[in-house]
Amino acid sequence: DVKVTQSSRYLVKRTGEKVFLECVQDMDHENMFWYRQDPGLGLRLIYFSYDVKMKEKGDIPEGYSVSREKKERFSLILESASTNQTSMYLCASSLGGAVGDTEAFFGQGTRLTVV
Amino acid sequence: QQQVKQSPQSLIVQKGGISIINCAYENTAFDYFPWYQQFPGKGPALLIAIRPDVSEKKEGRFTISFNKSAKQFSLHIMDSQPGDSATYFCAATETGANSKLTFGKGITLSVRP
Repeated sequence: DVKVTQSSRYLVKRTGEKVFLECVQDMDHENMFWYRQDPGLGLRLIYFSYDVKMKEKGDIPEGYSVSREKKERFSLILESASTNQTSMYLCASSLGGAVGDTEAFFGQGTRLTVV
Repeated sequence: QQQVKQSPQSLIVQKGGISIINCAYENTAFDYFPWYQQFPGKGPALLIAIRPDVSEKKEGRFTISFNKSAKQFSLHIMDSQPGDSATYFCAATETGANSKLTFGKGITLSVRP
C-alpha cells in the first residue's frame, strides 16, 4: 500500500514563527502536492511538485513556499505564520510521469493552529 | 473561478436510501473525474473514478453517472449505510505527466440509522 506520512498530526505555533510541515511518501511517486482544507472551501492546492527540485504554484501560494530536495520528501514552509493560516494541511502524492496516472494518495493531515 | 462545483452542500439520508451528489465542471479539457471519500481524522481516499469514454461506472453500491454534453457527473450511493457517513469530494483533471486534481468544496453526507 502507498503510504504518505505527515510528520505531525497537530501543531500550535505563534504568529510570526517559521513553520515547517514535512511529508514523506514511500512509493517512488513523481508528483507531490500540498492542499489546505477549510470548512466550506474544500481542498485548495497550495503548491505541487512533479520532480525533485521542481515546484509549481497552485491556487493559493501566497505566504507559503515549498522544498523538494529528495523524491520522497516534500516540505511546506510558512515563512511567517499568521492566524489566517490556521487550517488542516494535507499532503498527497501520485504516480505522475509520462503515463499520467492521477490517483492521489493523501496523508492524514496536519491540523495547524496559529495563535 | 470555481472550476468544479458540487451540490448539495450537505445531505441527510435514511439508511437504505439512495444518496445522490452532483458535480459540474467548466474545463472541457478535463478527462478524469474521481470521487474521494473522507472520514473524520483521515485524509481523503479515492472511492471511484470515471473517464469520459463511458457514461456510467459501477463499483458495488457506488455508481458514477457522466454527462459529457452537460459537463456534469454524479455519485449515486445505493442502499446507503451509516458507515457511508463522510465527506465526499468530486474532482477533475486533464491527465498528463504533470496533472493535478481540482476539487469541489465537498459535501457532508449523514446516513441516519
